[in-house]
Amino acid sequence: DGGITQSPKYLFRKEGQNVTLSCEQNLNHDAMYWYRQDPGQGLRLIYYSQIVNDFQKGDIAEGYSVSREKKESFPLTVTSAQKNPTAFYLCASNYRGRTEAFFGQGTRLTVV
Amino acid sequence: KNQVEQSPQSLIILEGKNCTLQCNYTVSPFSNLRWYKQDTGRGPVSLTIMTFSENTKSNGRYTATLDADTKQSSLHITASQLSDSASYICVVSYGGSQGNLIFGKGTKLSVKP
Repeated sequence: DGGITQSPKYLFRKEGQNVTLSCEQNLNHDAMYWYRQDPGQGLRLIYYSQIVNDFQKGDIAEGYSVSREKKESFPLTVTSAQKNPTAFYLCASNYRGRTEAFFGQGTRLTVV
Repeated sequence: KNQVEQSPQSLIILEGKNCTLQCNYTVSPFSNLRWYKQDTGRGPVSLTIMTFSENTKSNGRYTATLDADTKQSSLHITASQLSDSASYICVVSYGGSQGNLIFGKGTKLSVKP
């Protein structure tokens, strides 16, 4: 079945550690996105990529990094520079020129 | 500044009742507007899309309206079910290029038996 998969579903990080969230899609979508969701807040864009080997910062990119070495994969690294990383992270993808985004099931990151 | 505002922030209704969620936007140039449903702890799923020329669109018990003049949209849910309990997010696309999506904060709907 085609879809977009995020892993892990739950992730715990110690302060000062970097962690990487996985996002894989087999929908042949060109564009991929990372969003952060906090309680009572809307989704906020962290990074997005429209083609392989290219990506742009969103509204809250500080403390995060991404790579797009393959069309199917768009991993997000939460670095120790991100001071408040506890949140629900959503990955999405779509075709270029189409505005419907398909979302993964999310990763809940907690700093312990 | 491009913004999407939703109201109410939360809503509790009894099973079988109807409800209407509101979305006001100040986004330009407007491309389209989508309503998403997000179950707790899961990713949002698209319910319906409204383009500039469309006033009303239905998807089962969900009916979305769009007034492009006043920049308002509503999502009406008829004969609510317990499974309708979720967050409903209004998303406006602008500029015609990728990455230009503005998300509202959502309305959290709780349907009680």
